[in-house]
Amino acid sequence: QKEVEQDPGPLSVPEGAIVSLNCTYSNSAFQYFMWYRQYSRKGPELLMYTYSSGNKEDGRFTAQVDKSSKYISLFIRDSQPSDSATYLCAMGSEKLVFGKGTKLTVNP
Amino acid sequence: DSGVTQTPKHLITATGQRVTLRCSPRSGDLSVYWYQQSLDQGLQFLIQYYNGEERAKGNILERFSAQQFPDLHSELNLSSLELGDSALYFCASSATPGGGGAREQFFGPGTRLTVL
Repeated sequence: QKEVEQDPGPLSVPEGAIVSLNCTYSNSAFQYFMWYRQYSRKGPELLMYTYSSGNKEDGRFTAQVDKSSKYISLFIRDSQPSDSATYLCAMGSEKLVFGKGTKLTVNP
Repeated sequence: DSGVTQTPKHLITATGQRVTLRCSPRSGDLSVYWYQQSLDQGLQFLIQYYNGEERAKGNILERFSAQQFPDLHSELNLSSLELGDSALYFCASSATPGGGGAREQFFGPGTRLTVL
C-alpha cells in the first residue's frame, strides 16, 4: 500500500462549482498536512498547511484533516478558470510525501 | 514568486554526462530540499540539507549528490546521466527550526533536464 493515495483525475467542472479533492494515507505518524497547486511547467505553490485534525479556511479554499480516518480534503468554492491546475497533497512527520496530484480543469 | 531561485531553467545533455543544478533558498531559510518530478513517479524527495549539513535522504541514486554551501545556496550534481533521469528537478526551502520536521516548503520554478 502506498503511503499517500490521490485520485489523479482528471476532474472537469463548470465555473462556480464546488470542487472536492481528496487524499488518503496509511502512516499514522504523519503530523503535517499540506496542499499545493501546480500550474503546468511551474513549481508547486503552497496553498494550505495544517498540523491538526479539523478544518482550516483561507478565502475560497478549505482544508479538512481527519486523522482517525487518515483522510484529507481540499474544497474550492466558487471555482474559477484560474484554478485550473494540478493539486498535490503532501504530508509527513520528518519529511514530506506527496500524492501524485489531481488535474483540475474549470470550464468558463 | 516563492523567493526560491533555480538555475538553469532548461538543460539538454547527452547520456553519460554530468550536470550541476543550482538553488538559492528564500532569504533566512536554512533548509533546502531537492525533488525529482517525472510523469510516472510524481514528486519524489531526493535529499535535504540544513545549514550546510545533510539532514535526510530519500530516493536519491548514488550517481546523484548534493551539497549546501556557507551562503546557503545548494547544488545538485547528477552524473553518468541516463535517459531515465530526464525530469523536472525542484528545489524547495523551509524555515524549519532545528532542521527537522516536515514543515511547509516553498518551491522554486524548477530545472527541466532532458537527457538525449
